Amino acid sequence: QQQVKQSPQSLIVQKGGISIINCAYENTAFDYFPWYQQFPGKGPALLIAIRPDVSEKKEGRFTISFNKSAKQFSLHIMDSQPGDSATYFCAATLGGDSWGKLQFGAGTQVVVTP
Amino acid sequence: GAVVSQHPSWVICKSGTSVKIECRSLDFQATTMFWYRQFPKQSLMLMATSNEGSKATYEQGVEKDKFLINHASLTLSTLTVTSAHPEDSSFYICSASGDEQYFGPGTRLTVT
Repeated sequence: QQQVKQSPQSLIVQKGGISIINCAYENTAFDYFPWYQQFPGKGPALLIAIRPDVSEKKEGRFTISFNKSAKQFSLHIMDSQPGDSATYFCAATLGGDSWGKLQFGAGTQVVVTP
Repeated sequence: GAVVSQHPSWVICKSGTSVKIECRSLDFQATTMFWYRQFPKQSLMLMATSNEGSKATYEQGVEKDKFLINHASLTLSTLTVTSAHPEDSSFYICSASGDEQYFGPGTRLTVT
């Protein structure tokens, strides 16, 4: 049973456009929500992360919006570039002794067209 | 940021043989490392938690006798796939716990 649900499965966006990926979770004990970018044949790389006491976090062109009451969070990629074409995963983890045991969403393949 | 390496990056082995994959934290010490498996076009699935100096903890459905994990030092965890079969062919990725989770580049295992 997937604990983090991610949508859409794939996304095509024009260069300069905004990519939006959504995730939802059930376990209210999760306390850390990272987003990862993965290129084919490579390990995932951390993009940005948020904790549930914050509603929004921005780093460069990447923004996480977090809605604790709805148990949802999303990634916005502003001014999308062809180099952003990759698979993006949302994830969640508990704290304490379970810190780092990431539950991943299914992934979103993003294609940015020139 | 912190660097995690994996070796080998790609390995081909024959069915029935064993293969060892190493995960190293290069510039920090990690008491906890994690092993994930990723099939093509799919997400990462947590296999086990590797704790330095103690037995690994396996996720439900992961055979601990097939996937042997050893975490002998604060910078090295190893995953040994024993008696590998074609269905074990996958991309194996480790992560090491620091202030964030730092992922290795992955190891592509192909069992023929």
